[in-house]
Amino acid sequence: RKEVEQDPGPFNVPEGATVAFNCTYSNSASQSFFWYRQDCRKEPKLLMSVYSSGNEDGRFTAQLNRASQYISLLIRDSKLSDSATYLCVVNKGPRIPTFGRGTSLIVHP
Amino acid sequence: GAVVSQHPSWVICKSGTSVKIECRSLDFQATTMFWYRQFPKQSLMLMATSNEGSKATYEQGVEKDKFLINHASLTLSTLTVTSAHPEDSSFYICSARDQGSGSSRSSYNEQFFGPGTRLTVL
Repeated sequence: RKEVEQDPGPFNVPEGATVAFNCTYSNSASQSFFWYRQDCRKEPKLLMSVYSSGNEDGRFTAQLNRASQYISLLIRDSKLSDSATYLCVVNKGPRIPTFGRGTSLIVHP
Repeated sequence: GAVVSQHPSWVICKSGTSVKIECRSLDFQATTMFWYRQFPKQSLMLMATSNEGSKATYEQGVEKDKFLINHASLTLSTLTVTSAHPEDSSFYICSARDQGSGSSRSSYNEQFFGPGTRLTVL
């Protein structure tokens, strides 16, 4: 089993739709979690950290389920500009972060 | 957020030549920097962890004699692809971590990425 797994997609949704991605991780000792966004041929950029209590930033909500070892990202009211690849990152303490392969989202008019 | 620069942003070279890529943290000190490689439609693959003042730690399957890493200061790490071949053509990205927890501009363990270097070996 890979350390961090994501459905590569693509998820094809119309503008205004709500879409959710999951990311599972194998190491129960993992301590910090992030969602990054990567546009085509660009570097990843932090979208949001994921806290145990869950957190929300505008249209984006991230949740962590330690018991089932997954994190999720929910995007409400999708915009065309949300089209990108969303990368899940899991850190085992201060050690090296592990990236998922990313989930591709395409928002169409 | 913190800023990481990378130079050059793209390079085209002949097979057999060496290419040096620089990664700089512009407004913070980074004792650790990471080097990644990304092939089209694939995830970022960690190549090595660069530690200031000591040897880099390479991931399994990455040749340390081919990918030379030097981290001579707290703001600069370099990756040299020696005797590059067409299969080394890829997008190389560095990242640095702002070690200060509780920093107003970063989450603990947040990585800041350079803009990447696109290497094409002919």
